Amino acid sequence: EVQLVESGGGLVQPGRSLKLSCAASGFTFSNYYMAWVRQAPKKGLEWVATISTSGSRTYYPDSVKGRFTISRDNAKSSLYLQMNSLKSEDTATYYCARHGWELGFAYWGQGTLVTVSS
Amino acid sequence: DVVMTQTPVSLSVSLGGQVSISCRSSQSLVHNNGNTYLSWYLQKPGQSPQLLIYKVSNRFSGISDRFSGSGSGTDFTLKISRVEPDDLGVYYCGQGTQYPDTFGAGTKLELK
Repeated sequence: EVQLVESGGGLVQPGRSLKLSCAASGFTFSNYYMAWVRQAPKKGLEWVATISTSGSRTYYPDSVKGRFTISRDNAKSSLYLQMNSLKSEDTATYYCARHGWELGFAYWGQGTLVTVSS
Repeated sequence: DVVMTQTPVSLSVSLGGQVSISCRSSQSLVHNNGNTYLSWYLQKPGQSPQLLIYKVSNRFSGISDRFSGSGSGTDFTLKISRVEPDDLGVYYCGQGTQYPDTFGAGTKLELK
């Protein structure tokens, strides 16, 4: 069974940093692209970042480019999101997801809440 | 960015009934390789989203045949037949044809 378990969320002040983690199991992690998708409170879904199988290629929307960094450790079956210069509009539940061109976002974790507030 | 417009915003249905949700994109979702990367997701109350349909009309593993997707180009539809209580929640369409991946704002399915 595919499992994705996020951690690392919490309350952080504007301008500070936070690093999210996602532990994957139930599939060969190194064979799949992975992604982060966020959902602001009572809002819709927004893709945040994607990383290739080896980690050599990363992709971001303009809204987070230059501030967020996605990375992975295939030996640990783990995905990360380093978030710097956080803004109030980054407040959201962040989901780890297995990302594929064919399937889209096929599997999702339960999410971790990030609140950016002073 | 490709804008995904879903209608209606909310929908009331009786158990056992049938509903359709529309999703329109601001640009064609046909990729240069001929595929159309349009997916549908359901987010049940208090849960994370789950994939229902990929590439317009393909049901994901374990998804009931009561769910069907159709459409082409910029106009897509999700149909749910014989609605069950477990079908309630917010439905999102999403596209992966053009960077960046984008989603519709969602359609909330409620019981009448």
